Amino acid sequence: GQQLNQSPQSMFIQEGEDVSMNCTSSSIFNTWLWYKQDPGEGPVLLIALYKAGELTSNGRLTAQFGITRKDSFLNISASIPSDVGIYFCAGQDLRSNFGNEKLTFGTGTRLTIIP
Amino acid sequence: DAGITQSPRHKVTETGTPVTLRCHQTENHRYMYWYRQDPGHGLRLIHYSYGVKDTDKGEVSDGYSVSRSKTEDFLLTLESATSSQTSVYFCAITALSDERSTDTQYFGPGTRLTVL
Repeated sequence: GQQLNQSPQSMFIQEGEDVSMNCTSSSIFNTWLWYKQDPGEGPVLLIALYKAGELTSNGRLTAQFGITRKDSFLNISASIPSDVGIYFCAGQDLRSNFGNEKLTFGTGTRLTIIP
Repeated sequence: DAGITQSPRHKVTETGTPVTLRCHQTENHRYMYWYRQDPGHGLRLIHYSYGVKDTDKGEVSDGYSVSRSKTEDFLLTLESATSSQTSVYFCAITALSDERSTDTQYFGPGTRLTVL
């Protein structure tokens, strides 16, 4: 099956620092999604990207859909304590033809803020 | 909030016993999904449904069955639970995103299942 490589696996930063994480795929996706998961909760959608080269912001979060369609990046500026959690990328296979969104997920980046 | 609830939220059971997890949605979404989440594997699709009585397998479907007799309910059944099925199970639906009118997935709160 497809694989999504998400890096880094974990990050330890100080409050106020900027954060960058990325996902790369072995195949092309036509949609990239970024989710955040808090402990004991389900993933919550942060940003959705639908077009190669697209750059989209949601508050302090900015994500980009790579030109090759095989990667995506998420940046968080001026981190705050509530940014702590696990961030997942997810991609939709271009070949999916069910009319639904069968997604492949990365393994997550765990963000910890050091006091 | 996509109106998704899961029950139970926590369950401990013994190997060999049947277990059914329920996903309930209130907004008449057509597509529903069951995932399991394990350390180092992220979220993996077990089964999905594209309508009442219409279901199909995901990448890790062995040992699981599903049923959807009503639009609002999607049931996941472990016929004979094994320790390898200890996991956190998430239900998801596909709904139109707010900005682009393009479908994307929203998740329920999860069910933590422990098989002893």
